[in-house]
Amino acid sequence: DVKVTQSSRYLVKRTGEKVFLECVQDMDHENMFWYRQDPGLGLRLIYFSYDVKMKEKGDIPEGYSVSREKKERFSLILESASTNQTSMYLCASSSPGTGDWQYFGPGTRLTVT
Amino acid sequence: GNSVTQMEGPVTLSEEAFLTINCTYTATGYPSLFWYVQYPGEGLQLLLKATKADDKGSNKGFEATYRKETTSFHLEKGSVQVSDSAVYFCALSAPFAGGTSYGKLTFGQGTILTVHP
Repeated sequence: DVKVTQSSRYLVKRTGEKVFLECVQDMDHENMFWYRQDPGLGLRLIYFSYDVKMKEKGDIPEGYSVSREKKERFSLILESASTNQTSMYLCASSSPGTGDWQYFGPGTRLTVT
Repeated sequence: GNSVTQMEGPVTLSEEAFLTINCTYTATGYPSLFWYVQYPGEGLQLLLKATKADDKGSNKGFEATYRKETTSFHLEKGSVQVSDSAVYFCALSAPFAGGTSYGKLTFGQGTILTVHP
């Protein structure tokens, strides 16, 4: 069965901390994505990557960075966490061969206090 | 740019009622259209999709038809169950002008569906 896993389901961090969210997929997909999900706003794309070491900004990249050193792993980094980054973070992956059908992980609910 | 608009929720229905969740879109070119479902505490799962005009996607009793003339992709189910309670997202994938979309999706804001016994 195909899988996208995220390192934590729940995370609580303090303002100013550096936060790492990890995502791993076992489907050999080229494309990987990070979204944040907030009530009433749907999913908003933070960053995506279409190949190892390649990254592109999404719609809301401010305050975030990403890293993709291996094909199966895509990390989201909050350089200095702020309370307005409290949210649900979802990782997804896809392949050109799947017709843009994205597979999602279970999400990480991050609270910044 | 691309955008997706879903009907405002939440939607509350009794079991066996008919469901419609409206979705309209704006996109350049010829997008692919998707409905995703998110059950409580889980990530999103693809529910159904359609890749060209007049295609009908269907799964688990849900259906949606790609209507290019009205730029719509409304989700329907004839008889909902309590287990259908979830958040439903409409989404599209459209290629950038002169290039590939890299699989980027544009999502609507989501519609919360609650079904009571």
